Amino acid sequence: EDQVTQSPEALRLQEGESSSLNCSYTVSGLRGLFWYRQDPGKGPEFLFTLYSAGEEKEKERLKATLTKKESFLHITAPKPEDSATYLCAVQPHTSGTYKYIFGTGTRLKVLA
Amino acid sequence: DSGVTQTPKHLITATGQRVTLRCSPRSGDLSVYWYQQSLDQGLQFLIQYYNGEERAKGNILERFSAQQFPDLHSELNLSSLELGDSALYFCASSVSGRGTDTQYFGPGTRLTVL
Repeated sequence: EDQVTQSPEALRLQEGESSSLNCSYTVSGLRGLFWYRQDPGKGPEFLFTLYSAGEEKEKERLKATLTKKESFLHITAPKPEDSATYLCAVQPHTSGTYKYIFGTGTRLKVLA
Repeated sequence: DSGVTQTPKHLITATGQRVTLRCSPRSGDLSVYWYQQSLDQGLQFLIQYYNGEERAKGNILERFSAQQFPDLHSELNLSSLELGDSALYFCASSVSGRGTDTQYFGPGTRLTVL
């Protein structure tokens, strides 16, 4: 069964304290892996799409990496405005249609 | 602001009732996706439409249905509502029907079933 697990569930960091969020996935074949940021009461905001193992993408203080079993979202020198829930989603290879499977997210709190 | 609009913002109704949620995609986007987000189940993909045609189906209940109109706006119809249908419903849009397109999410409709 296709599955996505994110860890930790919640993370508190001091401003400037770098860390990584994990997204482990089990799918029959990966078409794409997505990272989103979601602020309370708002819709998810797209961050990255990764397609194949070894791929990396960066945006400001965020860097996403992908292996055959997991993805990491590295946050370098975070600021309080990086506080949000970070969601990971995978799209497995399926014949004739698409599926999107989301993890339950990591709630990140960055303290000033 | 993603450019995706959803109405209404909040909806309160009773069990057994029927409601319609509306979504207007970003200008130029042909695909619309519907998601349900509840506290216990996280974000669940319901259905995708591309240029008026159903493109992909996720965990959408038989009591729920959707359509995309010629002007590309979409409606999600929820009927015979149950307490467990209380959730945030998000619409997203993307340029094409390719599964790995970047999706832009709207602000959501919060549905409360009493």
